[in-house]
Amino acid sequence: KNQVEQSPQSLIILEGKNCTLQCNYTVSPFSNLRWYKQDTGRGPVSLTIMTFSENTKSNGRYTATLDADTKQSSLHITASQLSDSASYICVVRRAAGNKLTFGGGTRVLVKP
Amino acid sequence: KAGVTQTPRYLIKTRGQQVTLSCSPISGHRSVSWYQQTPGQGLQFLFEYFSETQRNKGNFPGRFSGRQFSNSRSEMNVSTLELGDSALYLCASSLLQGSNEQYFGPGTRLTVT
Repeated sequence: KNQVEQSPQSLIILEGKNCTLQCNYTVSPFSNLRWYKQDTGRGPVSLTIMTFSENTKSNGRYTATLDADTKQSSLHITASQLSDSASYICVVRRAAGNKLTFGGGTRVLVKP
Repeated sequence: KAGVTQTPRYLIKTRGQQVTLSCSPISGHRSVSWYQQTPGQGLQFLFEYFSETQRNKGNFPGRFSGRQFSNSRSEMNVSTLELGDSALYLCASSLLQGSNEQYFGPGTRLTVT
């Protein structure tokens, strides 16, 4: 079964600290993996997209990694800011049928 | 370039009623996908429209339907509303069908009482 599991479900961090979110998937065959940031009451916004051959990709203070062998991805937030408080969603696209599978998201709260 | 717009932003309906939600994609985008987002289930794919035809469908009952117009604008309809239909309904537009690059609208928050 094609699934995407994210952990933790939620976390609280202090402003300025780093954190890492995890995404494990069983989707096969794999096409790409995308991380979205969703602010409360808004639609998701793409942070990064990674294909099979990419190990690391950065977008400002956000760095995503991908290990296609173990089917794991992580999103690292460096020097967190209050504006990083949001839900982060991992989405994997299956090559066959071109379907998307969404993770349940990780809710991040950055406290001053 | 204007982003994806959805109307209305908030809606309250009672059980048994029907509702129509609207989505205007980014200018030039021809594909529109609809998603339901709830705290318990996360984001779930409803359907995708491209060139006025439904190209892909998720696992939702027939009460959920949609259509796309010649200007790529799309509507989603839910009939015989149930309490469990309360959710944030998101629309995403992309240039082509099944495109990697989807842009989401702000969503319509539907509450069924």
